Amino acid sequence: SQKIEQNSEALNIQEGKTATLTCNYTNYSPAYLQWYRQDPGRGPVFLLLIRENEKEKRKERLKVTFDTTLKQSLFHITASQPADSATYLCALDLGFSGGYNKLIFGAGTRLAVHP
Amino acid sequence: NAGVTQTPKFRVLKTGQSMTLLCAQDMNHEYMYWYRQDPGMGLRLIHYSVGEGTTAKGEVPDGYNVSRLKKQNFLLGLESAAPSQTSVYFCASSYPRPGEQYFGPGTRLTVT
Repeated sequence: SQKIEQNSEALNIQEGKTATLTCNYTNYSPAYLQWYRQDPGRGPVFLLLIRENEKEKRKERLKVTFDTTLKQSLFHITASQPADSATYLCALDLGFSGGYNKLIFGAGTRLAVHP
Repeated sequence: NAGVTQTPKFRVLKTGQSMTLLCAQDMNHEYMYWYRQDPGMGLRLIHYSVGEGTTAKGEVPDGYNVSRLKKQNFLLGLESAAPSQTSVYFCASSYPRPGEQYFGPGTRLTVT
């Protein structure tokens, strides 16, 4: 069956450390992969998109890797801050599939950064 | 720019009642989507639209209807609410490509 998995347990880290979140998937062949941030009571906010032929993408303190052989994406936040505390959603971007931009979302991983 | 807005923010319905959720976007996006988010599950697509006057079914369309009479608005209707429709509903919009979606703040719906 097709699955997308993110660690359901919260990730607790100390301020200043690097947070690493994992997204694994099976039986999909996404052309792209996206990461979103969701704060409590709010809608998801787009952070980064990485293409299948890109190994790594960076934006400020964020870094995403995409390994289509392992079927895995890693999301890193360096020099983490308490303001980075949120739930992070991974989304498989299947491209223009079936007439629209099809995204398959993971359930998200909650990150808590402690001072 | 307001981005994507949704009304109402909260609603409580009794089983069998009907309601309409309104989504509006001011980014001139062609595509609009309705998702539901339940605890422990990823966002699931209910219906989507690729342009004014068009709608199509997503992953979980049963019990819902939609309309897109104007490019900037996308309405989600529940004709006869059921407790299984208790959820948080998100509207989103996007260009055809790239594929990032812009989400509204959500509507928390409880059906008793």
